[in-house]
Amino acid sequence: AQSVTQLDSQVPVFEEAPVELRCNYSSSVSVYLFWYVQYPNQGLQLLLKYLSGSTLVKGINGFEAEFNKSQTSFHLRKPSVHISDTAEYFCAVVYVSNFGNEKLTFGTGTRLTIIP
Amino acid sequence: NAGVMQNPRHLVRRRGQEARLRCSPMKGHSHVYWYRQLPEEGLKFMVYLQKENIIDESGMPKERFSAEFPKEGPSILRIQQVVRGDSAAYFCASSPRQGYGNTIYFGEGSWLTVV
Repeated sequence: AQSVTQLDSQVPVFEEAPVELRCNYSSSVSVYLFWYVQYPNQGLQLLLKYLSGSTLVKGINGFEAEFNKSQTSFHLRKPSVHISDTAEYFCAVVYVSNFGNEKLTFGTGTRLTIIP
Repeated sequence: NAGVMQNPRHLVRRRGQEARLRCSPMKGHSHVYWYRQLPEEGLKFMVYLQKENIIDESGMPKERFSAEFPKEGPSILRIQQVVRGDSAAYFCASSPRQGYGNTIYFGEGSWLTVV
């Protein structure tokens, strides 16, 4: 079955330190990959997405992610975090099909807490 | 350009009542998706609709849940005879056309509490 795994449910990080949030997905021929951020009691905001081309994707708020097809991973990174980055982060995958009926499959989320 | 609008933001229902959640997609978007987020879990796909058509309802519970997206007006997610397990955040998303090469945009969610 198609699935997305975010192994770390909670990640505490000191302010201005780097962070990596891990995401792995079940293998498939063709995928689109996304990272969303959710602030408390709010909807999801797209951070970045990978559709094709360069495997290093840059997004908003200084985040970037790298698509690694051999490891079926799409880890999110930021070199220096800020208090305002405290939020829940969701990795999501679209398993591209010929039927065109594509939908997002989400991981269970990683709660990033920035420590002052 | 207003984003995806959901209402109500918060809804409290007693067991056995009906819950109706509304979603107005972004202007120009004709594709709507509903997702459910249970406490401490990720989002689970429920249903994908286009105007007047249900394209994929593979994530919808077989009973009590229904969705529509009429020619005019918002998309509605309807839950009949709610139970405590229906308590969750329900998110609507929209896109201008099929295919995730186009970014889909999420609303701020409707939080349903069943007491």
